[in-house]
Amino acid sequence: GAVVSQHPSWVICKSGTSVKIECRSLDFQATTMFWYRQFPKQSLMLMATSNEGSKATYEQGVEKDKFLINHASLTLSTLTVTSAHPEDSSFYICSAIGLAGPYEQYFGPGTRLTVT
Amino acid sequence: DQQVKQNSPSLSVQEGRISILNCDYTNSMFDYFLWYKKYPAEGPTFLISISSIKDKNEDGRFTVFLNKSAKHLSLHIVPSQPGDSAVYFCAASRIQGAQKLVFGQGTRLTINP
Repeated sequence: GAVVSQHPSWVICKSGTSVKIECRSLDFQATTMFWYRQFPKQSLMLMATSNEGSKATYEQGVEKDKFLINHASLTLSTLTVTSAHPEDSSFYICSAIGLAGPYEQYFGPGTRLTVT
Repeated sequence: DQQVKQNSPSLSVQEGRISILNCDYTNSMFDYFLWYKKYPAEGPTFLISISSIKDKNEDGRFTVFLNKSAKHLSLHIVPSQPGDSAVYFCAASRIQGAQKLVFGQGTRLTINP
C-alpha cells in the first residue's frame, strides 16, 4: 500500500515551453501533497504544499507564477513549470499524506526535467 | 539556516556489521522525526519514524534513537546488508502528518561485502 506515482519519469523540453508533471496516490486518498526539488548531491527542498480543493502554499523564494500547482482531486496533483529555463532543470519529487493514513509522507519516484 | 544536519556525507561499513547514521537538529519545535532511504533517480522510501515522546523505535533491522536534550537522533541498521547501500535522509516536522518536512543533506551509506 501507500503507492505514489509520477508521470513522466523524465522529460526534456526547450527553453520557454511549459511542462506538466502529474503526481497520483494510487491506493489511498491524499488530503495533502507536497512538491520538492532536488539538485545533484543536495537535499530535498520543499517547494509547496497543496491541499485538495484549495490554493497551494509556496515556500519562500519559490515563484508561484512559474510553478503552478493544482490539486483537483484527492488522488491527483499537478505541477506545471511555465516558461522553463535551463536553471529549472532538476529532479522534482512529490509526496502525499493520506486522509485516513498513512500519516508519513510517501514519495513518488520523481521526474527528471532537463531544459535545453 | 540548516535546521536538520547530517554531518557525515558518506559512511562505509562492512557487511554484517552495524551501520550508525547520525542527525542533529536545531529547532526545538520539531517533535516528529523520520528516516528515508533513497536510490539515485528515485523518490525517497520511508523507513522508520519516532515521535518526541519516545527515545527509541525499532522495526526489524532498523532502530531509531532520539536524544531530545542533545537534539540528536541516530539510525542503527544491524546487520548491514549490501542492499542497504543508498543515501539516507533524516527529516523532521513539528507534528506528525500534514506538516512540512525539513530534510538533512543525506548520508551515502556503502556496505562492503
